[in-house]
Amino acid sequence: NAGVTQTPKFRVLKTGQSMTLLCAQDMNHEYMYWYRQDPGMGLRLIHYSVGEGTTAKGEVPDGYNVSRLKKQNFLLGLESAAPSQTSVYFCASSSRTGGFNEQYFGPGTRLTVT
Amino acid sequence: AQSVTQPDIHITVSEGASLELRCNYSYGATPYLFWYVQSPGQGLQLLLKYFSGDTLVQGIKGFEAEFKRSQSSFNLRKPSVHWSDAAEYFCAVGDISNFGNEKLTFGTGTRLTIIP
Repeated sequence: NAGVTQTPKFRVLKTGQSMTLLCAQDMNHEYMYWYRQDPGMGLRLIHYSVGEGTTAKGEVPDGYNVSRLKKQNFLLGLESAAPSQTSVYFCASSSRTGGFNEQYFGPGTRLTVT
Repeated sequence: AQSVTQPDIHITVSEGASLELRCNYSYGATPYLFWYVQSPGQGLQLLLKYFSGDTLVQGIKGFEAEFKRSQSSFNLRKPSVHWSDAAEYFCAVGDISNFGNEKLTFGTGTRLTIIP
């Protein structure tokens, strides 16, 4: 049981390049989330999904797109990277069993945009 | 909208000393409260959570937290810290105002340094 995995672990992009971050979970969770972590700002929600085929905007969605074609995968895309998107990106997942469920986090992807 | 404040950016304590990390929240109803820990280069791990009931909750690694509604606080404590506790700690509040749309709001974190 790997939990939540993220690919890649590190990436350096030039301004204007595109890339996709992959998140996979093997816990059969309904909910999945993408966060970014910046120094002194904690974690901020970019986009999230409450089920296969559905996505919604979080607190800081601009410049990102997401897709959830399969229940176990949640992709985060940057179409035209900007230096302001230099950050550490975390994916998380949680079940939907009533109340508020614990989110399980991946190890993160460190992205640098030059 | 909910919010979380962690007033201490960085705390340094001696190994074996007691620890208290502060967290204040803003939320209109009974909150769902969490403490997560992030070791260097790692993802976040849940230490403990409060949903209802006993206001003193026990977590992993010897941590506990107390929910005080009157003070809108959820402070994290440990009676005796170990060098391995050096990490960043995040308090978070969960919003379930919209079923099927639950979201976590995180504080900005407190970095804990342990000195021998």
